[in-house]
Order: sequence, then C-alpha cells, then structure tokens
Amino acid sequence: AQSVTQLDSQVPVFEEAPVELRCNYSSSVSVYLFWYVQYPNQGLQLLLKYLSGSTLVKGINGFEAEFNKSQTSFHLRKPSVHISDTAEYFCAVITTSGTYKYIFGTGTRLKVLA
Amino acid sequence: EAGVAQSPRYKIIEKRQSVAFWCNPISGHATLYWYQQILGQGPKLLIQFQNNGVVDDSQLPKDRFSAERLKGVDSTLKIQPAKLEDSAVYLCASSPSDSPIYEQYFGPGTRLTVT
Repeated sequence: AQSVTQLDSQVPVFEEAPVELRCNYSSSVSVYLFWYVQYPNQGLQLLLKYLSGSTLVKGINGFEAEFNKSQTSFHLRKPSVHISDTAEYFCAVITTSGTYKYIFGTGTRLKVLA
Repeated sequence: EAGVAQSPRYKIIEKRQSVAFWCNPISGHATLYWYQQILGQGPKLLIQFQNNGVVDDSQLPKDRFSAERLKGVDSTLKIQPAKLEDSAVYLCASSPSDSPIYEQYFGPGTRLTVT
C-alpha cells in the first residue's frame, strides 16, 4: 500500500525568504507525485505534478519540486515567498498501474510573516 | 469555464439525522470524486465515478454513506444516519478522465458539523 508523510504540520517563514515543504512517500511500485494548495475556505488546486522525465518539476506561482527516487521524496520549494502563499499544502501520490487512486498527506500549513 | 459547484456550503445537523450533498462537475468531465477531509488531515477518497459507474468505493462506509451519479453528470452523497465522527469537509472533484495526465478540479466543499 502507498502512504505519504508530510513531516512538518506548520512552517512559518518571513516574506521573501525561501521555503521548503517536505514530502516522503512509501510504495512498492512506481508512483506519480503531486502537490496541491488549499487556500482558506476553498477547494484544492494543483501546483505541480511529476509523471516522468526530468526530476525537477516547475509549477504555478513560482513553486518547484524535485523527485528523488532513492530517498523517496518530493519536496516543494520556492525561492522567495509572498504573503499570498499562506495556505495549506498537500502532497499526494498515485500508483502508475491499476486504478488511479490519490493518497494525500496530512498537509503542511505555510504561514508567511510580514 | 464554470468550476465544480457544490451545495450547500455549510450544514449543521444532529447525530442520527440524515444529510445530502450535491455536486455539479465541470461540463464534459467523465470522472467524479468525493473526498472526506477531516480537520487536520488530508482528503480521503470516498468514491470515484467514471461516467455513471462506480470505479472505487472501497473507503466508503456503506452502512451509512451512499452516493449516486445519475446520467453521468450531477452527483449526490448521502449520510444516514450521521455520527459525530462524520464532521468534516466533503469535497467533490472532477476530471476529464481518471488518467493522472489530467488535473482534478475541486469544488469549494461542504462543511458538515454533526452535533
């Protein structure tokens, strides 16, 4: 069975500072990986995804993530955050075969401070 | 393009009562998902439809939860009777297909409080 671990439940960071949100997964088969963002009182929105190819994936709003197969990680990064990036961020995986079922992590709350 | 619509946005009921949620996906999207998001947790898939057929309902508590997608468009999720632990946000999402190539588009959710 697949699982996703987001090690940090909350990450406070000052505006214009860099940030990294960590995600590790467990799976016996190959996976696809995703990062979603959830703003208050809204549904989830896709930030980026890794299906294949280059392990460095660029997404919307200046975010990027790197797939590391040996460390089973898919950490999300942004070089300079804005107040508007304050939100909950979810990492998710699905397997590459069979029924595509998303498994979400518990989320990391990013709070950008002025 | 209109997004995924859900109603109601908020619902408060007493335990043992019944409740229903409605979802209207993006036009033309064949795949529809219902997720349960308990406070402090990530979304958990309850049921996935492909057109009007069920693809996966392995995590749906079938003794109290039911869902249908008539005519492969709108969908309703029902809880009867509700328990305190059903308090959560219920998210609906749709996608052109179940392939991960396509993005899931989420609605704003229905926040259910069971007292």
